[in-house]
Amino acid sequence: SYVLTQPPSVSVAPGKTASIACGGNNIGTKSVHWYQQKSGQAPVLVIYHDGDRPSGVPERFSGSNSGNSATLTISRVEAGDEADYYCQVWDGSSDLPFGGGTKLTVL
Amino acid sequence: QVHLQQWGAGLLKPSETLSLTCAVYGGSFSGFYWSWIRQTPGRGLEWIGEINHSGSVNYNPSLKSRVTISVDTSKNQFSLKVDSVTAADTAVYYCATRIVVVDTGYFDPWGQGTRVTVSS
Repeated sequence: SYVLTQPPSVSVAPGKTASIACGGNNIGTKSVHWYQQKSGQAPVLVIYHDGDRPSGVPERFSGSNSGNSATLTISRVEAGDEADYYCQVWDGSSDLPFGGGTKLTVL
Repeated sequence: QVHLQQWGAGLLKPSETLSLTCAVYGGSFSGFYWSWIRQTPGRGLEWIGEINHSGSVNYNPSLKSRVTISVDTSKNQFSLKVDSVTAADTAVYYCATRIVVVDTGYFDPWGQGTRVTVSS
């Protein structure tokens, strides 16, 4: 099965930029999607197709994907961005795996 | 704007059958895949399977033997059954809309989640 690897945690000060990585074998050849999950809530899509934003998601959220790593970038981080973030792909055959999740802490 | 509302039993004994239903409000029921996903502290988010309006199903190979997903187009609802549950099936279960694109697909929106506990 296709494995997606994320760092367990990332910390950032308010107003700074947070980068959350998602590693996978040749992940640059796949389309990566990102979800935000706040405490006690269902996940919400924040980035699809590597770098597209659903309507309503702030422009501060962006994504990139190349080689063996995809990245979710959150600029001008706010306290309300504190959440768990998950990446997800289609493995090319029969599964839709998620990364293990990264807890973003706003200091 | 599609909205998903899910329900089902939250407490089961080992060997019982887990049964959840998700209703789809707003938008079209066709043109999407309707998925079930579960979340545990140990295994994170795990895609269980999906169905479309015509009944075509796809299952996660690791769960396929115990899972059945069905659809009721007259009610715009789809359902999940997991047979012979064990403590390992304890999780928060979500229904979700999978937007299907060639060679990929993402989930938007999600239902509110149902916490299912398996305990004797």
